[in-house]
Amino acid sequence: AQSVSQHNHHVILSEAASLELGCNYSYGGTVNLFWYVQYPGQHLQLLLKYFSGDPLVKGIKGFEAEFIKSKFSFNLRKPSVQWSDTAEYFCAVNDQNRDDKIIFGKGTRLHILP
Amino acid sequence: DARVTQTPRHKVTEMGQEVTMRCQPILGHNTVFWYRQTMMQGLELLAYFRNRAPLDDSGMPKDRFSAEMPDATLATLKIQPSEPRDSAVYFCASGFQAGLEAFFGQGTRLTVV
Repeated sequence: AQSVSQHNHHVILSEAASLELGCNYSYGGTVNLFWYVQYPGQHLQLLLKYFSGDPLVKGIKGFEAEFIKSKFSFNLRKPSVQWSDTAEYFCAVNDQNRDDKIIFGKGTRLHILP
Repeated sequence: DARVTQTPRHKVTEMGQEVTMRCQPILGHNTVFWYRQTMMQGLELLAYFRNRAPLDDSGMPKDRFSAEMPDATLATLKIQPSEPRDSAVYFCASGFQAGLEAFFGQGTRLTVV
């Protein structure tokens, strides 16, 4: 079955630390990849997306993600986190050749210490 | 500012009652998703529609859940009868076509007691 794995369920960092959140998917075909963020009590918002082209994608708020096809990975990074980055982060995948479903990982809760 | 609108934002109901959640997708979007979010399961896809036709509802418990799109501006998710295990936040999202990003509503927080 199609699946998305986020390895870190809960991450705690201090301000200014570097961040990398892992995401792996199980699709074999051509995929669209997304990272969404959910701030406490709010809905999901798109951070960045990859459809094709440059595998290094830059998103809002200083986030970036790198698509490594050989590893089926799409890890999210930020060089220096801020307290306001405290949120839950979701990786999501859509298989272009199969259907229109967007499947989400279980999420990673990020807590930034001031 | 285009957005997906969900009503109600909060719903508390007794076990056995019918619950109807509504979603107004962004005008012009032709794909609508329903997701359920819980602490244990994360975001689960319940059903989704393309041009008002249901494409996949395999994630939805068929005996009590139903999803419809009476018209292009309204999607509904019904639970009848509701059970305490249905307590969750239900999100609707819409998009324009396959593979493009989904825009999420604010969610309906359902509590079944």
